[in-house]
Amino acid sequence: DSGVTQTPKHLITATGQRVTLRCSPRSGDLSVYWYQQSLDQGLQFLIQYYNGEERAKGNILERFSAQQFPDLHSELNLSSLELGDSALYFCASSAGTSGRNEQFFGPGTRLTVL
Amino acid sequence: DAKTTQPTSMDCAEGRAANLPCNHSTISGNEYVYWYRQIHSQGPQYIIHGLKNNETNEMASLIITEDRKSSTLILPHATLRDTAVYYCIVLNNNDMRFGAGTRLTVKP
Repeated sequence: DSGVTQTPKHLITATGQRVTLRCSPRSGDLSVYWYQQSLDQGLQFLIQYYNGEERAKGNILERFSAQQFPDLHSELNLSSLELGDSALYFCASSAGTSGRNEQFFGPGTRLTVL
Repeated sequence: DAKTTQPTSMDCAEGRAANLPCNHSTISGNEYVYWYRQIHSQGPQYIIHGLKNNETNEMASLIITEDRKSSTLILPHATLRDTAVYYCIVLNNNDMRFGAGTRLTVKP
């Protein structure tokens, strides 16, 4: 158990819909990272927040957005969903801002878009 | 960040050492080598990292060549639970970029 929690575990929705994925980092960790893992793309970094502020951006689509709240939990919002958005979405947390800090990954949310 | 090359898959007998190679010939002086693994569809798990010197922890050893162009992750006594995809990542201070990794299968 990494100490990172993600909800929900599974999510099934239809194309065009909007969903919100939630992540609670390990106690004391200020950084939250979001990753997408699909069969054809592998594990892709989406975005990082540190203490409420966006720190780094990866391959995140404009239809996707994220935020980190004062209690440090984070939400990833996916809108206008397409079939290709079906994937595992992982959240990770670390103590510092740098990618060098060990990242602790949550169990993931499996999103299925029908 | 430097690109890495890893074999697609490897097998290892249970109880034997598993040696997973990684090539990172374009690594620069301030880039670290990290190893993570992913068991089935679970979240990736940190294993070890290093800059120049060899490193060892309770999970594994990391051997980095003197020119830093390649490294080897060693699991000293592989168990069936070590079956996973192992990712070698080189980074400086940027986001973690996972490649395809090596699928290690530990066989009884």
